[in-house]
Amino acid sequence: SQQGEEDPQALSIQEGENATMNCSYKTSINNLQWYRQNSGRGLVHLILIRSNEREKHSGRLRVTLDTSKKSSSLLITASRAADTASYFCATSKGGSQGNLIFGKGTKLSVKP
Amino acid sequence: DAGVIQSPRHEVTEMGQEVTLRCKPISGHNSLFWYRQTMMRGLELLIYFNNNVPIDDSGMPEDRFSAKMPNASFSTLKIQPSEPRDSAVYFCASSFPTGEEIFLAKNIQYFGAGTRLSVL
Repeated sequence: SQQGEEDPQALSIQEGENATMNCSYKTSINNLQWYRQNSGRGLVHLILIRSNEREKHSGRLRVTLDTSKKSSSLLITASRAADTASYFCATSKGGSQGNLIFGKGTKLSVKP
Repeated sequence: DAGVIQSPRHEVTEMGQEVTLRCKPISGHNSLFWYRQTMMRGLELLIYFNNNVPIDDSGMPEDRFSAKMPNASFSTLKIQPSEPRDSAVYFCASSFPTGEEIFLAKNIQYFGAGTRLSVL
C-alpha cells in the first residue's frame, strides 16, 4: 500500500488565498519530500524535510512535520494561478539506495 | 544540464506488440527509477537501479515487464507482449544519493517528462 496519503484529494481556491495540503504516512522515515506535477509533465522537487526537523520554509512554501503523528503539511501562501498542479508527498526510509514512496497527490486548482 | 530525457514522449501500439521505453539520466547520477502513473493507482515504483545494478524490482507487474541499465547513461523498460491495461504514463527519474547524501538524507529525484503509452 502507499506510504504517503495526501488529503484532500482535490482543493480549489481563489488566487491570493492560502492552500494547505496534508500527508500521512505509516512507518518511520528518514525524510519527507514534496513534489509538484503540472499537467502532462514530470514531477518536480519542491522541498525536503528531515525527520529531526519540524518546520521548513522555502519562498511561499512552508512544510511542517510531526513524526509522532506521522503527518506533514504543505502550506502555499498567497497562491497564484501558476500554482495549479498536483502535489505529492514522498517518504524515504533512508539507509537504502534512495527510493521514495509517493502518495496519490492533491490536485490544487487556483482560480484567478 | 538537459535533465532526464525520456523517449518517446508518446507511444501508441496494438495489444501484443513489444514496447521499449528509453531513459537517459542526468550525467553523474548513480540511481535510476522507473515509475508508472495511472489515475487508479497513482505513481507506482516499478524498479530502481543503483550504479547500473537492479536493487528492487518488486514493483514490476509481471514477467512481461523487463528493465535494463547497460551503462550509467542509458536504461530501457520493455513490455512484451503489451496489453491494454499497460496504458499509463511511464516516468524515469534519477538521483545521486552518494554516501554523504544518504547520510544527509538528500535523496532528491529528478523526473523526466514521461512517456504516455496507449495500448489499443
